[in-house]
Amino acid sequence: QSALTQPASVSGSPGQSITISCTGTSSNVGSYNYVSWYQQHPGEAPKLMIFDVSDRPSGVSNRFSGSKSGTTASLTISGLQAEDEADYYCSSYTSSNTLVFGGGTKVTVL
Amino acid sequence: QVQLQQWGAGLLKPSETLSLTCAVYGGSFSSYYWSWIRQPPGKGLEWIGEINHRGSTIYNPSLKSRITISVDTSKNQFSLKLTSVTAADTAVYYCASRQQLPGAYYFDSWGQGALVTVSS
Repeated sequence: QSALTQPASVSGSPGQSITISCTGTSSNVGSYNYVSWYQQHPGEAPKLMIFDVSDRPSGVSNRFSGSKSGTTASLTISGLQAEDEADYYCSSYTSSNTLVFGGGTKVTVL
Repeated sequence: QVQLQQWGAGLLKPSETLSLTCAVYGGSFSSYYWSWIRQPPGKGLEWIGEINHRGSTIYNPSLKSRITISVDTSKNQFSLKLTSVTAADTAVYYCASRQQLPGAYYFDSWGQGALVTVSS
């Protein structure tokens, strides 16, 4: 199964908003509202930030939001902060009853 | 959420079998799917496969021929075996869990990760 497509890097200044895209196909993102997003700081395990396209787990800042249009899901970080600098991965359920991740996006806070 | 603690051999030679185990603390062992996910150095995440408490498995098609995921409900543990490893299998391997609820296709608990290096 092919990985979902994410931009390699996105950057923004503190206080700005950035958006990370995650493009799949009609066999995954396009057919299911089961897209999740993970934040990973260096040397740490990933942390769930968004599930079911736009829901936030308890304890995750409301600066993080998710959306989907067609075969592309997006993660938006508003009011960018230094602590948001990390790698971000999307994931989707697939029609083969498996799960697939994106290649990851490195977010840099300028 | 459950707590996951994993362990296993960190250095393998090509053609050997990778073996990792993950112990589950807290929560109901039968209420989750138990997954393995790996991350090659400097690269992205790859879902390997998962198992439930009954032993039902789903594997990544690209790895299916070399993978066995098993469960020991008496110890609240699950394990991964990957045969015939090559340098391409060098990665940090994570165990993770997702709730056994309709539509819960996300991982809300992760192990600490274990680096497995394949080198002659």
